[in-house]
Amino acid sequence: EAQVTQNPRYLITVTGKKLTVTCSQNMNHEYMSWYRQDPGLGLRQIYYSMNVEVTDKGDVPEGYKVSRKEKRNFPLILESPSPNQTSLYFCASSSQRSNYGYTFGSGTRLTVV
Amino acid sequence: QKEVEQNSGPLSVPEGAIASLNCTYSDRGSQSFFWYRQYSGKSPELIMFIYSNGDKEDGRFTAQLNKASQYVSLLIRDSQPSDSATYLCAVNAKTSYDKVIFGPGTSLSVIP
Repeated sequence: EAQVTQNPRYLITVTGKKLTVTCSQNMNHEYMSWYRQDPGLGLRQIYYSMNVEVTDKGDVPEGYKVSRKEKRNFPLILESPSPNQTSLYFCASSSQRSNYGYTFGSGTRLTVV
Repeated sequence: QKEVEQNSGPLSVPEGAIASLNCTYSDRGSQSFFWYRQYSGKSPELIMFIYSNGDKEDGRFTAQLNKASQYVSLLIRDSQPSDSATYLCAVNAKTSYDKVIFGPGTSLSVIP
């Protein structure tokens, strides 16, 4: 089954404790992206990647890091999480840049206390 | 001005009616336009994409694009209670073709 897999689905952590949210797709997509979704603010792009070793900032990159060492994986790293990073996070992928729309992962609900 | 705007709703329509969802965008250079449906607690799922002016139909869904007016809409014919969800409009950014910007979404409720 073609899919984007995110882990974990739910995570509660403390301020300052580094964490990684994993994202993997099995569709051989070149393009991958991370979004956060907050009430009243909608989906906002954090980072995106056009291919292996090629990444760029979205609208809200502060406090996040990404890497794209393999085509299928695009982890999101929070090196020192803060409460304002409490949110619902989605990973998404697409073939041929973003022309044909995204396939989204199931989401990761992160709470930073 | 926000880059992608939608009426937040909620929009309520009776079962069997046509639901009309609207979206405006600010960047004239945008070339790709998408509609996603998001059920509560779930991830967005792609319904349609459109690149050219005019209408594009897929089953009960029709996307309409007017680049001169910077306007894209989604019509849902014969609305069903299962269509009750939030509908997200998305546009690729003029500044970077790989950057996709989402609108805030319109909540649709189809009343049986």
